[in-house]
Amino acid sequence: DADVTQTPRNRITKTGKRIMLECSQTKGHDRMYWYRQDPGLGLRLIYYSFDVKDINKGEISDGYSVSRQAQAKFSLSLESAIPNQTALYFCAASGGRYNEQFFGPGTRLTVL
Amino acid sequence: KNQVEQSPQSLIILEGKNCTLQCNYTVSPFSNLRWYKQDTGRGPVSLTIMTFSENTKSNGRYTATLDADTKQSSLHITASQLSDSASYICVVSGTGTYKYIFGTGTRLKVLA
Repeated sequence: DADVTQTPRNRITKTGKRIMLECSQTKGHDRMYWYRQDPGLGLRLIYYSFDVKDINKGEISDGYSVSRQAQAKFSLSLESAIPNQTALYFCAASGGRYNEQFFGPGTRLTVL
Repeated sequence: KNQVEQSPQSLIILEGKNCTLQCNYTVSPFSNLRWYKQDTGRGPVSLTIMTFSENTKSNGRYTATLDADTKQSSLHITASQLSDSASYICVVSGTGTYKYIFGTGTRLKVLA
């Protein structure tokens, strides 16, 4: 079984719709992250959480919100989706000696 | 500004050949540098992690080097295989920070 899972894997939605992307991890790590990846750009941090009660904005948090429901679950919401939020979204969990990040398989989101 | 720059942007080689990918960074103070392999449509997977005191680290046919003085790293792939076709991402993190600075990656294509 994968250490970090994301659902859905693909989603097409319309402008203005609310959408939630979900992430679960079995690594037992406290730290979880949401990134987006656009062609020609490096991964950019949207939100991160160091434990259930600690949630922080990343560099591109506008238009997004998150919820850390449990140590193993971290969801990302787009309250009112817009076309420039079309991207590949990755969840990650990190821990261990080097705080190594383990990434999920990604969610490809298309906003029409 | 903390930055990670990778070169070349893309590379095409024949199966069995060697290649070297470059990463230059300006992140300071430096904590560690990671190389990830990202297959198309999948999440990044860690290849190597190096700290300040490490000059080289190998993972099978992948060998990463680090020169912390010049702030440069390279990833050498030996005897390339078709399955090496992927994007290779250099990620640098600073001391005492949650932040991982991602390069934009080198897209490698190995041809038969």
